[in-house]
Amino acid sequence: GAVVSQHPSRVICKSGTSVKIECRSLDFQATTMFWYRQFPKQSLMLMATSNEGSKATYEQGVEKDKFLINHASLTLSTLTVTSAHPEDSSFYICSASSGELYTQYFGPGTRLTVL
Amino acid sequence: QQPVQSPQAVILREGEDAVINCSSSKALYSVHWYRQKHGEAPVFLMILLKGGEQKGHEKISASFNEKKQQSSLYLTASQLSYSGTYFCGTEEGKFQFGAGTQVVVTP
Repeated sequence: GAVVSQHPSRVICKSGTSVKIECRSLDFQATTMFWYRQFPKQSLMLMATSNEGSKATYEQGVEKDKFLINHASLTLSTLTVTSAHPEDSSFYICSASSGELYTQYFGPGTRLTVL
Repeated sequence: QQPVQSPQAVILREGEDAVINCSSSKALYSVHWYRQKHGEAPVFLMILLKGGEQKGHEKISASFNEKKQQSSLYLTASQLSYSGTYFCGTEEGKFQFGAGTQVVVTP
């Protein structure tokens, strides 16, 4: 159990375009979803936390207008990188929690490359 | 505040043991351990909640000290499959990951 999917797994886009990444919990209801980005050989950096039906809470330094998060249902959260630039290229990982003590189940990640 | 993990990296031969530490300046509500293989997402290993708790997952076990400020992850008789980066995640108001410990197990 506790499977989280992420789509797409890899995306290459031109600078200035927007990219949407989906995160789904397949076999449980995720009351909370987390979005992380990870640069090579570095730790996961929490970008935002979202609870179903409410606005996401962004970490300091993360632009909420650039990284739009929508947690429309208990099984789906989306991250949209708006007007992407090469410095946004990274590995984006979502995780989902059913609320039990913050145990997080991670999606497989999305590698974004902005040309 | 991000928990402090040590060592930064460790290289082991198959069958050897290793210890990874995760510490905080404040008492923690919980400690989580994850392992991430290259190019993949982290996988949950275990969570510790109580001071003095010890828990195991195959030959990987962890402890949480009485003051709930330090946790250690023990890799016993390491296998090649143990290679990866190990992260501790701590909960102290909000959830944060440590910087990670890269573990390389060689034949």
